[in-house]
Amino acid sequence: KAGVTQTPRYLIKTRGQQVTLSCSPISGHRSVSWYQQTPGQGLQFLFEYFSETQRNKGNFPGRFSGRQFSNSRSEMNVSTLELGDSALYLCASSSGTGVTEAFFGQGTRLTVV
Amino acid sequence: AQKVTQAQTEISVVEKEDVTLDCVYETRDTTYYLFWYKQPPSGELVFLIRRNSFDEQNEISGRYSWNFQKSTSSFNFTITASQVVDSAVYFCALSEAPRDDKIIFGKGTRLHILP
Repeated sequence: KAGVTQTPRYLIKTRGQQVTLSCSPISGHRSVSWYQQTPGQGLQFLFEYFSETQRNKGNFPGRFSGRQFSNSRSEMNVSTLELGDSALYLCASSSGTGVTEAFFGQGTRLTVV
Repeated sequence: AQKVTQAQTEISVVEKEDVTLDCVYETRDTTYYLFWYKQPPSGELVFLIRRNSFDEQNEISGRYSWNFQKSTSSFNFTITASQVVDSAVYFCALSEAPRDDKIIFGKGTRLHILP
């Protein structure tokens, strides 16, 4: 059974640009959550998508957005990048029904210069 | 408000020693879930255990054991006979599911196992 796949693994962007990250969940999982990990703030919840709908949202500005497709793959977009957006972005996959453990991908490391 | 505190930022022990990672949580919900994850240098978060608020039984899995005490809001993790491969960052986390599925993570404890 394939795990959670995040692409790309590494990205370097310039301040002001926008970026799109992709996450393919485990087959059969319908929930995808996104987290931002930084040395200062640790792991913070961005949002969760279930069956193509945003089901939960953290406290991040509107520059951070996402979507989910019918095959459960999800994308996260960050517009007008700031230096502080440099982080490891982790995607978590779960069934989305009931409480089950979330399985994480290896993350996308975004560096904003 | 929900919160997870891992007071130990970094721990170093010599291989084969036992080590306990502390976790204290705060929540107003009576139904909640607690987790431990391991993050090796590769970056991926590896699920270790989930425990719901109604199950205070301690759990042992090989060299790993967990002690859940609601009276002190703690969910501590012990590694027995540590090995170099246990070196990683360990995160304790809380979810107030089913009301709110998001996972709230502690800041993590970086564990160094010295050969």
